[in-house]
Amino acid sequence: ILNVEQSPQSLHVQEGDSTNFTCSFPSSNFYALHWYRWETAKSPEALFVMTLNGDEKKKGRISATLNTKEGYSYLYIKGSQPEDSATYLCASMNSGYSTLTFGKGTMLLVSP
Amino acid sequence: DTAVSQTPKYLVTQMGNDKSIKCEQNLGHDTMYWYKQDSKKFLKIMFSYNNKELIINETVPNRFSPKSPDKAHLNLHINSLELGDSAVYFCASSQALGGTRNTIYFGEGSWLTVV
Repeated sequence: ILNVEQSPQSLHVQEGDSTNFTCSFPSSNFYALHWYRWETAKSPEALFVMTLNGDEKKKGRISATLNTKEGYSYLYIKGSQPEDSATYLCASMNSGYSTLTFGKGTMLLVSP
Repeated sequence: DTAVSQTPKYLVTQMGNDKSIKCEQNLGHDTMYWYKQDSKKFLKIMFSYNNKELIINETVPNRFSPKSPDKAHLNLHINSLELGDSAVYFCASSQALGGTRNTIYFGEGSWLTVV
């Protein structure tokens, strides 16, 4: 069973601040890493799917990097806005297991 | 149109009752899932169906029985509900099981409270 860990557990920043958080996952038999954004009472929404070591993905002010050899991914938010407030989940898949294993998430609160 | 819809959104019921949560996806996906957000806030896979066939069945009590009448629907039946079944249950779907196409599309969750 995969063990996916995210840090910090929660984060409170001011509007305009840039921030980042970490997802750690087992690097052996790595297959894919997913990031999701989840607002309370709504559906978790897919942000990125990353597969290659060194991958960088960007969507607006949000970007992510991937290091499969050491087993971590960073999610960056540039110039945080209150609407970025959500829980950010990462999930890992290895080649021996055909579904995603999720971390607990990082809860981000952006104050105006 | 909501891509993955599940009903009911909120359900409060007594111990011992039998209840169902319904799920439908209109994305044309082959694979559907049930996830449970446990007390430690992890999203954990319960079941996965691919083209109406059970593919993954994690260590879930047999009081939980998924039923897939067609590949657009995956319903979750729970018999003899226990207090510990209180959780948020998420239905989800993906184009295929495994592989990089496995972006999962989630429903909004069903909040089950057993009293």
